Amino acid sequence: GENVEQHPSTLSVQEGDSAVIKCTYSDSASNYFPWYKQELGKRPQLIIDIRSNVGEKKDQRIAVTLNKTAKHFSLHITETQPEDSAVYFCAASRANTGNQFYFGTGTSLTVIP
Amino acid sequence: SAVISQKPSRDICQRGTSLTIQCQVDSQVTMMFWYRQQPGQSLTLIATANQGSEATYESGFVIDKFPISRPNLTFSTLTVSNMSPEDSSIYLCSVEDGGDTQYFGPGTRLTVL
Repeated sequence: GENVEQHPSTLSVQEGDSAVIKCTYSDSASNYFPWYKQELGKRPQLIIDIRSNVGEKKDQRIAVTLNKTAKHFSLHITETQPEDSAVYFCAASRANTGNQFYFGTGTSLTVIP
Repeated sequence: SAVISQKPSRDICQRGTSLTIQCQVDSQVTMMFWYRQQPGQSLTLIATANQGSEATYESGFVIDKFPISRPNLTFSTLTVSNMSPEDSSIYLCSVEDGGDTQYFGPGTRLTVL
């Protein structure tokens, strides 16, 4: 089955700096890669996703890049703000095949004002 | 995206008892899933709730411990049976609304004494 690794497990940045979280996956058939943000006591919320036919996707301060050859994808947050503080999870799945998500272990991001 | 609710939001239960968690969606969805999130951990898929047929369980999870029902396309239940303190966790349902993305319910925080 799929194995998703996520690094780092914790990340502290100064407000206004950039944050990068990296994930690797093992199953070359995985073709859909969502990122979720989970604030304390809340449900995971989708913040951005990317499909394997795209190398990069951007939404305001958030971007995701995908390297299919190396089987890794990354979340980039620019101009970080205190409200970006949360746990971020990456996931990998084979879309259209029951869509089971394999989640990374999570990254706890702290943005220091 | 679909609006998802769960009941109860939290509960404290005695060892050896069972708890049934409900997941309600405001629209018909093709796929519903049940996850467990232990404190400070990632999300682990328990099973896929199939409408009209038995749930599909992941390795390490069995029907006798986690019976699941899905009587229609908007509702599912997960029962945690014969509970022990190790079952203390957050249980989340998620739905796929026809695309590739999963959206999560608010979760049920279970404490077993």
